[in-house]
Amino acid sequence: NAGVTQTPKFQVLKTGQSMTLQCAQDMNHNSMYWYRQDPGMGLRLIYYSASEGTTDKGEVPNGYNVSRLNKREFSLRLESAAPSQTSVYFCASSEPPLLASNEQFFGPGTRLTVL
Amino acid sequence: QKEVEQDPGPLSVPEGAIVSLNCTYSNSAFQYFMWYRQYSRKGPELLMYTYSSGNKEDGRFTAQVDKSSKYISLFIRDSQPSDSATYLCAMSDNRDDKIIFGKGTRLHILP
Repeated sequence: NAGVTQTPKFQVLKTGQSMTLQCAQDMNHNSMYWYRQDPGMGLRLIYYSASEGTTDKGEVPNGYNVSRLNKREFSLRLESAAPSQTSVYFCASSEPPLLASNEQFFGPGTRLTVL
Repeated sequence: QKEVEQDPGPLSVPEGAIVSLNCTYSNSAFQYFMWYRQYSRKGPELLMYTYSSGNKEDGRFTAQVDKSSKYISLFIRDSQPSDSATYLCAMSDNRDDKIIFGKGTRLHILP
């Protein structure tokens, strides 16, 4: 049981390049999330998916696209990377609705630098 | 006013002291309140979860929620150097499965 896994762990891009961050969970959770974490800004929700086939925008969706490929996998794509997208990206999963313990399980993060 | 306010610190306290971490919020619809701990270069992990108002205790950790004041707290007793981390408060109204996080407070426990 690996929990939530993310690839890659580190990435350096040049402005304008594209890339996809991969996330997978083996807990059979319906909900999956992408967050970014910047110094002094805390965790901000980019996109989330309440179930396979559905996605919704979070607080900071501009410049990103997502795909909920199946129940296990939720990918985040940067079509044309910008320096403002330099951040640490976390994927998380949870089982809605909110039950006795509303817990999101987080992956280890992807550190992205855009030059 | 942001939905969730949290002092970023850093907060430095000597080993063995009682630590108090706090958040305020503006959305009266929040019902679920959580505290996450995040070690450097790791993902957050859930520490405490509370529904509605009241206290919850788990070992050295106590979470308090005062909905009338829109104020939540996390207390750490007998603090240890291993408690040094960033602590994030988080909350939700359960309407759309979104959780709103505070910015996190960096805590240093000095040996």
